[in-house]
Amino acid sequence: SAVISQKPSRDICQRGTSLTIQCQVDSQVTMMFWYRQQPGQSLTLIATANQGSEATYESGFVIDKFPISRPNLTFSTLTVSNMSPEDSSIYLCSVSLGGTDTQYFGPGTRLTVL
Amino acid sequence: KQEVTQIPAALSVPEGENLVLNCSFTDSAIYNLQWFRQDPGKGLTSLLLIQSSQREQTSGRLNASLDKSSGRSTLYIAASQPGDSATYLCAVRPSAAGNKLTFGGGTRVLVKP
Repeated sequence: SAVISQKPSRDICQRGTSLTIQCQVDSQVTMMFWYRQQPGQSLTLIATANQGSEATYESGFVIDKFPISRPNLTFSTLTVSNMSPEDSSIYLCSVSLGGTDTQYFGPGTRLTVL
Repeated sequence: KQEVTQIPAALSVPEGENLVLNCSFTDSAIYNLQWFRQDPGKGLTSLLLIQSSQREQTSGRLNASLDKSSGRSTLYIAASQPGDSATYLCAVRPSAAGNKLTFGGGTRVLVKP
């Protein structure tokens, strides 16, 4: 299995500011995924992050709003830019370990935008 | 476009009763289906993964079945306990190459002592 940590675990931010969320995995993985879970909703994939290349964004999500970095095989960051109250969500990173197909999730970052 | 539905959205049972959670999906061309548990305000814990070629998977008190042709999966939890109270999510993966999971809306379970 994979052990995934995220920082911060929660934050309260002001409208118009940006927050960078970090995701660290205890093993090397090719792809890392960022999901959003809005209040009372299920999970929606924001983007897939491959090491050494630009992230691939899902429909409705753009790089200017959610820039992603993937500097190595165990780490990624997601920035939520120019935040509005609609960005209040839990943000989760996820990995799939080669050979198992099981997808593992981090503990999430609970973001509240005032 | 794949759509995943979980009914009911919420379920309350007395301790000891068996739980039956349903998941349906519109496109039967899936690679696998995974069941997760989510505690309030927390991340997801993987419970069971069923490959498209499998009919069921078991782990302890949990058993998940898959009927790909009819687009259904069922998660059974035997002899429920208050600690089983959580939201249960199912998610389907479209292909070996496609890692994007499509999630259902979840079933919120309360097991009363």
